[in-house]
Amino acid sequence: DTGVSQNPRHKITKRGQNVTFRCDPISEHNRLYWYRQTLGQGPEFLTYFQNEAQLEKSRLLSDRFSAERPKGSFSTLEIQRTEQGDSAMYLCASSPVGTLNYGYTFGSGTRLTVV
Amino acid sequence: GDSVTQMEGPVTLSEEAFLTINCTYTATGYPSLFWYVQYPGEGLQLLLKATKADDKGSNKGFEATYRKETTSFHLEKGSVQVSDSAVYFCALSERNQGGKLIFGQGTELSVKP
Repeated sequence: DTGVSQNPRHKITKRGQNVTFRCDPISEHNRLYWYRQTLGQGPEFLTYFQNEAQLEKSRLLSDRFSAERPKGSFSTLEIQRTEQGDSAMYLCASSPVGTLNYGYTFGSGTRLTVV
Repeated sequence: GDSVTQMEGPVTLSEEAFLTINCTYTATGYPSLFWYVQYPGEGLQLLLKATKADDKGSNKGFEATYRKETTSFHLEKGSVQVSDSAVYFCALSERNQGGKLIFGQGTELSVKP
C-alpha cells in the first residue's frame, strides 16, 4: 500500500467551470476526510465519510461543493461553478475507525488554481 | 468553538539551536493533541501526539507535553538540524467528533547551517 493517493496533483481551471478531484485512501481505512488549505493557513475541515456514509459537512462546504464515496472506497470532491476564492490545496486523509490516537494519513493534495 | 493558536513565523534558527514553537488551544471537551509537519513539496505527516493531561509525545527528537492547566502543547527540540526546516502545525481533535482535526495556522521553521 502506497498511502493516500490524490489526483490530479494540480488543476488550473477557468472561473465558472466544474472540477472534480479524486482520493484513494489506504485500503483498510474506514474513514476518509477532506480538508482545504489556503496559503499561510492550516487545513480546514470540509467533510468526512465513514465507509460510504457522509457523516459531517462543514459550513465551509457551500452548495457548489459535493463529495461522494461510493462503495466506501475512493472518494470524489466536485466543485461546481468555480470561483477564484476556491483556489486552494485540497487535502484528503484516511484513518481506521477507533484509532484517533494515531492520527491520520494525509495525501499530497490537489492544488486548484481558478483563473 | 474549538480553536488552536500557534506562534507566528517564520522562525529562523542556526543549526544546533534550541527550538520552541508555542501552541495553545481552546476546547469544550477533552481533546487529543497533535503536531503535524509539512516538509517543502510534501504532504502533512504526523510528528507526535498526546491524548491526556501530562502525556508527553515524542518523535525524531521533538517533544511536546499536554498541559491541561495552561491549555498548551508547545513543541520543543534540543538541537535543530537543517533538515528540520518545514512548516509545523498544532492540531486538536475532540472525542466523539469523528476524528475531525482543528489546526492552527502553522509555523514556518527555517534552520540555517
